[in-house]
This record gives sequence, structure tokens and C-alpha cells, in this order.
Amino acid sequence: DTAVSQTPKYLVTQMGNDKSIKCEQNLGHDTMYWYKQDSKKFLKIMFSYNNKELIINETVPNRFSPKSPDKAHLNLHINSLELGDSAVYFCASSPRFEETQYFGPGTRLLVL
Amino acid sequence: GENVGLHLPTLSVQEGDNSIINCAYSNSASDYFIWYKQESGKGPQFIIDIRSNMDKRQGQRVTVLLNKTVKHLSLQIAATQPGDSAVYFCAENMGSGGGADGLTFGKGTHLIIQP
Repeated sequence: DTAVSQTPKYLVTQMGNDKSIKCEQNLGHDTMYWYKQDSKKFLKIMFSYNNKELIINETVPNRFSPKSPDKAHLNLHINSLELGDSAVYFCASSPRFEETQYFGPGTRLLVL
Repeated sequence: GENVGLHLPTLSVQEGDNSIINCAYSNSASDYFIWYKQESGKGPQFIIDIRSNMDKRQGQRVTVLLNKTVKHLSLQIAATQPGDSAVYFCAENMGSGGGADGLTFGKGTHLIIQP
């Protein structure tokens, strides 16, 4: 009965590759998010997606693109991976925008 | 955007004692605050929240205090247990400002429970 799930849990890849991380929530929430957590544990929001409206944090490189096939899924596609992309990526969801967010277990990305 | 910060990056307490984790925020427009707990290798887990029209809210063994005058938020954990060891984050929501930065996290405090 996992609420917010992410796959894969670990992702090791070479610089320059393109990869995707999947996120699914079975909570019936309207809004989903992607966060990046760096090595110092700092959490920073990357995107929020609500009723087909994508809101992008302006500091996120355009190599990152979220894709939502339906309300329960928000996948993260990353093009031309760079060393600095190494981090833990968390998906989250909330009933509506600006409400309590529930986080997935994270995807640990290592770019070599 | 403005930052939500924590006074102490690491807090060590004896098992059974009470612990207090502090957080300062700078955006007076914030109207919703949340505390999250993150255990090693896991995602942040919701603990308790509080809206700006309140100054105190209690949960099971946890209490959140909000002082809007000095823009200060604290999390009190009563009778700490080994399972309370984790990194604790405060987060603020800047209300109808919207945007992808609807939830801004502080830097985190690592709570260590000594046996």
C-alpha cells in the first residue's frame, strides 16, 4: 500500500547519458512535485505539477523535463547528465497545491 | 526566495529527555509551516504542521510552536526515543504566492539520541 513510489531506487550512469526516474502516487492527490537533495541534505524544489499546469523553478536547467502521463504519475527525464546532477531526487504529492506533501523514498543518482 | 534556516545543525540529547529543534524564517507572508523527519536512506516524513493563525499545536509526543513576532518555529519532542534519531526539517509555504517554490525547506537539524 505504498503511497508515493519511485523507481529506480539507485541509478548509476555515465556523464552525457539520458535517464528517466518514475514516480507514482496512489493517494488521489492533485499535485505532484520533484525535489533535489544535495550532499548537504538541502532540499530544493524543482517542479510542481497541478491539473496539467507545470510550474518550473527557474534555476532548474532545461535538461530536466517532467512528464505527467496522468494525475497519478510524474516522471522526471534528464538529458545529457552532468556530474553535478548527482544527488537524491524525491517525488512528492499533496491533495492540492500548498498543502502537506508526502514524499517518496527517493532515487539516488550517481553520475560518473 | 527568502530562506528558512535552523539555529543548530546537530543536536544531541539523552534518551528520555525532551528535545527542542529551532527554526527561523524570514518571509512574513508565510502562512503554513511543516516539520518533516528524514531517517537515513528514506524520504522526508510529515510530522506536524501549523498554520499562521495558531501559535501552538500538539501531536503525539510532538509540539510545534510558532512565534510570528520573531518569525520563529520550534519542534518539541517529548521523552525522546532512539527512533527519533533523524534529520528534522522545517518548511514554510508562502501562501498564495504559488510557484514551484510553494514549499521552502530549511537546512535540517540532525538529532542524535544518546543511550
